[in-house]
Amino acid sequence: EAGVAQSPRYKIIEKRQSVAFWCNPISGHATLYWYQQILGQGPKLLIQFQNNGVVDDSQLPKDRFSAERLKGVDSTLKIQPAKLEDSAVYLCASSPGVAGGHNEQFFGPGTRLTVL
Amino acid sequence: DAKTTQPTSMDCAEGRAANLPCNHSTISGNEYVYWYRQIHSQGPQYIIHGLKNNETNEMASLIITEDRKSSTLILPHATLRDTAVYYCIVRVAVWGGSQGNLIFGKGTKLSVKP
Repeated sequence: EAGVAQSPRYKIIEKRQSVAFWCNPISGHATLYWYQQILGQGPKLLIQFQNNGVVDDSQLPKDRFSAERLKGVDSTLKIQPAKLEDSAVYLCASSPGVAGGHNEQFFGPGTRLTVL
Repeated sequence: DAKTTQPTSMDCAEGRAANLPCNHSTISGNEYVYWYRQIHSQGPQYIIHGLKNNETNEMASLIITEDRKSSTLILPHATLRDTAVYYCIVRVAVWGGSQGNLIFGKGTKLSVKP
């Protein structure tokens, strides 16, 4: 079974530039998550999609971050403009989204962003 | 904020059991205890979860105290590949909405040494 795919794996940009990350979840998984992981900390949820609708984006800095999940499959996360403090690993995860199940989350390898 | 407390780091000798403690004194009756681990440069990986009974799978065992205020993850025969950050998380196991979202703390960095 293919896992969660993310690209690119690494990205270096200068502050005030824009950047986009792509995620392809496990086939059939209804729920998709984007997390931000700053060095030395645990992952922090940015946004959760159920199919193509947003369930929770309370921790997404909406002035600069945006995300979409068109057609309820792939997703992109964009930062515009980037700040130094956005340097982090951006993790995508998916889960089946099945009623009654414990809905284990499967994580991709992440995209390491460095903002100079 | 994370509802769990874990030691920052632990060491374990290869081949020995690794016992990772977690305190969750404010756990609610409908919250499960979940464990994930994150190997360097990888995304977190699910290990095991439980409500109140002890659980075992091919990766680990989970021992939850009777009052459910603490738990221990046991890796019975640790290998070098078990070196990782281990996260203990309490969450409501529901489908739909954000109630069951994972809230990660800083976890315990386990170093398995030869």
